[in-house]
Amino acid sequence: DAKTTQPPSMDCAEGRAANLPCNHSTISGNEYVYWYRQIHSQGPQYIIHGLKNNETNEMASLIITEDRKSSTLILPHATLRDTAVYYCIVRGELYNFNKFYFGSGTKLNVKP
Amino acid sequence: DGGITQSPKYLFRKEGQNVTLSCEQNLNHDAMYWYRQDPGQGLRLIYYSQIVNDFQKGDIAEGYSVSREKKESFPLTVTSAQKNPTAFYLCASRFGSGANVLTFGAGSRLTVL
Repeated sequence: DAKTTQPPSMDCAEGRAANLPCNHSTISGNEYVYWYRQIHSQGPQYIIHGLKNNETNEMASLIITEDRKSSTLILPHATLRDTAVYYCIVRGELYNFNKFYFGSGTKLNVKP
Repeated sequence: DGGITQSPKYLFRKEGQNVTLSCEQNLNHDAMYWYRQDPGQGLRLIYYSQIVNDFQKGDIAEGYSVSREKKESFPLTVTSAQKNPTAFYLCASRFGSGANVLTFGAGSRLTVL
């Protein structure tokens, strides 16, 4: 599986957009990018995933570069409740029985 | 509502005792997973199961055991052989074919006294 690299922490002002980067330079053509987040002492929550095109849902937007070596998760209007650890994961759709690896993620601190 | 239920939420154990953490899902998911999380760290895979009566070791299976006798249930036993069992344990599940979205339970926090 492709490795991912994320900054350990980021700050964001409440109401502003939070842009969380992820590098996945060894990603292969059939691997998707997934984002999850974990609020303190809770189970991780799925946010969004994508392959090549940019994706948007009610929670966030995912921007994937044309060469697919990096991506950015965008929370358009961060609130204090968005303070959490955000995990970027790369996985292949070809595998039915696969493992999911979560690294250390990015701790997003949303400040008033 | 469909989801994953982990119990107990908090558990205290004396050294040398085995303890079993429960994980039940009513999502009709095929695959189930157990992760361990230590303070300030990411999640590490202990065991996973693709179908009933089948499971595979993850990266840190030593000192742990699992069973998958029913599709809905994937209990984890932390044995006395696990050297440092104090941690936050997370159970997850995923629908089998194609979709790669994991659904997690709320977690069980185990403290060894």
